Amino acid sequence: NAGVTQTPKFQVLKTGQSMTLQCAQDMNHEYMSWYRQDPGMGLRLIHYSVGAGITDQGEVPNGYNVSRSTTEDFPLRLLSAAPSQTSVYFCASSLTRTGAYGYTFGSGTRLTVV
Amino acid sequence: AQSVAQPEDQVNVAEGNPLTVKCTYSVSGNPYLFWYVQYPNRGLQFLLKYITGDNLVKGSYGFEAEFNKSQTSFHLKKPSALVSDSALYFCAVRLINDYKLSFGAGTTVTVRA
Repeated sequence: NAGVTQTPKFQVLKTGQSMTLQCAQDMNHEYMSWYRQDPGMGLRLIHYSVGAGITDQGEVPNGYNVSRSTTEDFPLRLLSAAPSQTSVYFCASSLTRTGAYGYTFGSGTRLTVV
Repeated sequence: AQSVAQPEDQVNVAEGNPLTVKCTYSVSGNPYLFWYVQYPNRGLQFLLKYITGDNLVKGSYGFEAEFNKSQTSFHLKKPSALVSDSALYFCAVRLINDYKLSFGAGTTVTVRA
């Protein structure tokens, strides 16, 4: 099925652990991005990419790394998890970097850091 | 810089009544504007967008929104709300020449039978 696939759906980490949230799309979308959703704060942009090999920081990039080695994949790495990173994470993609065709979101990863 | 404000945390309406969810934005240029809906424990679903052209935009599930440049608003409307419209609604904005999509804090809509 065409769309944005995120794995895992749920994850519990201990403080200081590292992990990678996976995001893959099969729509040949140029643009991909990561958001975190926290109650009362909407979605905040962590990192984004306008094509393979090109990434940039969003609003809340600290503590997260990304890379875009292929058009399809855009993994988000938590280097040393902290309780403040407890959140729901969404990956989104768009056909073009302009976003004129809209954005497709994955179903999310719920992360708890204890 | 760009920002989005959704002034109402919650909107409550009776089924069959008109539904309006407010959104105002602040950008230093021409915006692209979007509305998304999120049902519990689900991802965001696209409702409609304004890119250019007609200020009245029609979208999915009977929703529409009007782009008002002078008031910098993009309110979401539905003439007759359904119980199934109960969800969390997000307004989002980006500049035409930027790559960052910014979201409002969201408005929870409850439609009572």
